[in-house]
This record gives sequence, structure tokens and C-alpha cells, in this order.
Amino acid sequence: SQTIHQWPATLVQPVGSPLSLECTVEGTSNPNLYWYRQAAGRGLQLLFYSVGIGQISSEVPQNLSASRPQDRQFILSSKKLLLSDSGFYLCAWTPGLAGKQFFGPGTRLTVL
Amino acid sequence: AQKVTQAQTEISVVEKEDVTLDCVYETRDTTYYLFWYKQPPSGELVFLIRRNSFDEQNEISGRYSWNFQKSTSSFNFTITASQVVDSAVYFCALSGRETSGSRLTFGEGTQLTVNP
Repeated sequence: SQTIHQWPATLVQPVGSPLSLECTVEGTSNPNLYWYRQAAGRGLQLLFYSVGIGQISSEVPQNLSASRPQDRQFILSSKKLLLSDSGFYLCAWTPGLAGKQFFGPGTRLTVL
Repeated sequence: AQKVTQAQTEISVVEKEDVTLDCVYETRDTTYYLFWYKQPPSGELVFLIRRNSFDEQNEISGRYSWNFQKSTSSFNFTITASQVVDSAVYFCALSGRETSGSRLTFGEGTQLTVNP
């Protein structure tokens, strides 16, 4: 069966520090991968998605970036965090076109 | 552009009441998919249902039922005989077949509180 992992589960970082969140999927190959952010407990905003290794599409211009170094690995990064980057970050995957998206457990990021 | 509107920000009911969560969508795609997700306090999104635009048949799964009306661009979700464990934020979402990457457009969510 397929599973999706995210780590860390929680993170507290100072403003201006770097960020690296990791997402991995097991039990499938060539998934579509997504990063979402949820601020203030509501409304999911799509940040990035990837349909293959090295292929990243950005939805919202910001100080975040994403990379997909391996088929089932998706990384969200920042060189310098802002206060506004605080939120709940969710990774998701789907096996193909219009498939239901499966979500990971999320990372709760607090920037102080 | 796609848009999903969940006009009800918060709903509070007493256990055993029926409750309907509204979802209205906008899309120019002729083929599209609609979803409902549940987000309990733990934060992880739980998939509830996917419906494609060619299938307007209503669906029932236990205490859950969904009413898809293409004419009014609505995909409403009803919980019958609500329980405290149903308390969560519920999201309606839309994906167009022609939308690259199959990305989902989410509504803002409805916070449902079921009181004992």
C-alpha cells in the first residue's frame, strides 16, 4: 500500500533562517506531488506541484522553492524565512490525472 | 479560472441533527472532478469522495450523502444523525481535466462543530 511521510512534524524557526521540509511517498512510482500551505487553520493554498523528477511548477511567487531530486521525494525550501511563512504545510500525491490526492500528516511551522 | 465557494464558515449543531455543507464551484472545463475532504483537529486531510462531472447521480455512504447538481454548479454534502466525531473542517475541492498537474482548487472550508 502507499504511504506518504513528512518531516519534521513541527518546527520553530527564527526569521531569516533557512528551511527544508521533506516529503516522501512509498509504494508507488511517478506520482504527481504537491505542496500546500494552510494559514490560520483554513484554506489550502497550492504552492508547488511536480509531475516528474526535476519538474517543478510554482503557483505563487514567494521566497519558497521546491525541488524533486528523486521520483518519490519532494522538498520545500527557503533561504530566509519570513514571519508570513508560518503555517501548516501539507504534502500530497496523486497517481495520475484527476486522481484523488492523498495527503501527508503535515508540518506545523512557526516563524518567530 | 477555477473557484470553489463554501459560504458557511462555521456550523454548530447538536448531536443527531442532520447538517448540510454547501459547495458552489466555477470552472470552464467541460470535464472536471469534485472532491470533499475532512480535516480533523490532527490536521491531516482525509479523502471522502470524488465525483466526475458526467456522473450526477447522488451518492450515499453510511451517514454521508452528496448531492451533485450541475445546473446550479453545486456539490453539497449532508451528514445524517451527526456525531461528535464528525466535528472537523470540511473542504470542497475542484480539479479540471485540462488543468495541468491535476492540481486541486480548494474552498475555504466549513468548520463543523457537533455538540453532545
